[in-house]
Amino acid sequence: IAGITQAPTSQILAAGRRMTLRCTQDMRHNAMYWYRQDLGLGLRLIHYSNTAGTTGKGEVPDGYSVSRANTDDFPLTLASAVPSQTSVYFCASSKNEAETQYFGPGTRLLVL
Amino acid sequence: GESVGLHLPTLSVQEGDNSIINCAYSNSASDYFIWYKQESGKGPQFIIDIRSNMDKRQGQRVTVLLNKTVKHLSLQIAATQPGDSAVYFCAETLGSARQLTFGSGTQLTVLP
Repeated sequence: IAGITQAPTSQILAAGRRMTLRCTQDMRHNAMYWYRQDLGLGLRLIHYSNTAGTTGKGEVPDGYSVSRANTDDFPLTLASAVPSQTSVYFCASSKNEAETQYFGPGTRLLVL
Repeated sequence: GESVGLHLPTLSVQEGDNSIINCAYSNSASDYFIWYKQESGKGPQFIIDIRSNMDKRQGQRVTVLLNKTVKHLSLQIAATQPGDSAVYFCAETLGSARQLTFGSGTQLTVLP
């Protein structure tokens, strides 16, 4: 079934540890996105990539990095996790920028 | 920056009634709007979209209305069913930024 997969489903992480959240799509979409969702704050854009090889910063990029080596994969890395990064993380993709985005199932991250 | 907001955080309707979820936006340059549905523990799911050159668009049991004069967006769900219970988000694309900005969401509860 075509779509977006994320891994892991959930994770408990000690503060200061490095963590990479994985995202893969098989729809050959050019654009991909990472959001975090916190209660009362809705979805906030962390980083995006309009095409393979390019990335950009969203609303809340500090403490996160991304790479886009190919069309299908868009990993999000927390270099040194902090408790304020406890959140639910969603990856999304769209055929092109500013088109309808389709979301993955999310990764629930708890940083202690 | 510009933001998308919702008039009501919660809405309860009787099964079989019609539901109307409202959304206000503040940037008159926004040219693309999307409604998403998010069930508990899942990622947002695309429902329907509308471009700024339209004022109404219909889908299966859903209708989106756009009033550019007052910068208001609404989602109408006909014959609301228990499976419609979820959080509904509106999102807009700003013409220059080409990224989605999400509102904080409305919790729709369908009563038996």
